[in-house]
Amino acid sequence: DAGVTQSPTHLIKTRGQQVTLRCSPKSGHDTVSWYQQALGQGPQFIFQYYEEEERQRGNFPDRFSGHQFPNYSSELNVNALLLGDSALYLCASSLEPQNTEAFFGQGTRLTVV
Amino acid sequence: GNSVTQMEGPVTLSEEAFLTINCTYTATGYPSLFWYVQYPGEGLQLLLKATKADDKGSNKGFEATYRKETTSFHLEKGSVQVSDSAVYFCALAKAAGNKLTFGGGTRVLVKP
Repeated sequence: DAGVTQSPTHLIKTRGQQVTLRCSPKSGHDTVSWYQQALGQGPQFIFQYYEEEERQRGNFPDRFSGHQFPNYSSELNVNALLLGDSALYLCASSLEPQNTEAFFGQGTRLTVV
Repeated sequence: GNSVTQMEGPVTLSEEAFLTINCTYTATGYPSLFWYVQYPGEGLQLLLKATKADDKGSNKGFEATYRKETTSFHLEKGSVQVSDSAVYFCALAKAAGNKLTFGGGTRVLVKP
């Protein structure tokens, strides 16, 4: 049983560019959440998708957007990249929004130069 | 809003020593509480959880008890191994929805 998979593993982008990160949830899971983890800090909640809609959103600007597909996979898009967007981006999946046990992927390390 | 505070690291221990990582929280209502572990270069793994007051979560020799009166969820292990070296995160989530609020993490280094 494949767990949560994220791609790419590492990514280097230039300031002002746009980036798309991808996540496939654990088999049977229908809810995907995205987190940003800056170096040496705890993860910060970006948003959560369920039934292809954004259900909850953390304190992140509109430059951060997402999408969920009918197969439950998800994308995180970040526009107009800033140096401060450099972080590990984690995807977590769960079954229904009421199930608080989240399974995390290994993350995508984004470096903005 | 919700918040989680955990002791800063790094915590350096010898093998077979006793480990305690303090965690306190601020939240409305009755959140579920979690400990996640992050090994170098990896994502987060759920270590244990507790969903109501006085519940004790346990896994792989680690334990934590949900203390509502002190709003705490301290992590303990009686005898650590080198393989327990990792960063440990305390987190909470409301009953409805699974948005997790994390503490800043505590790095633990166990030396042989």
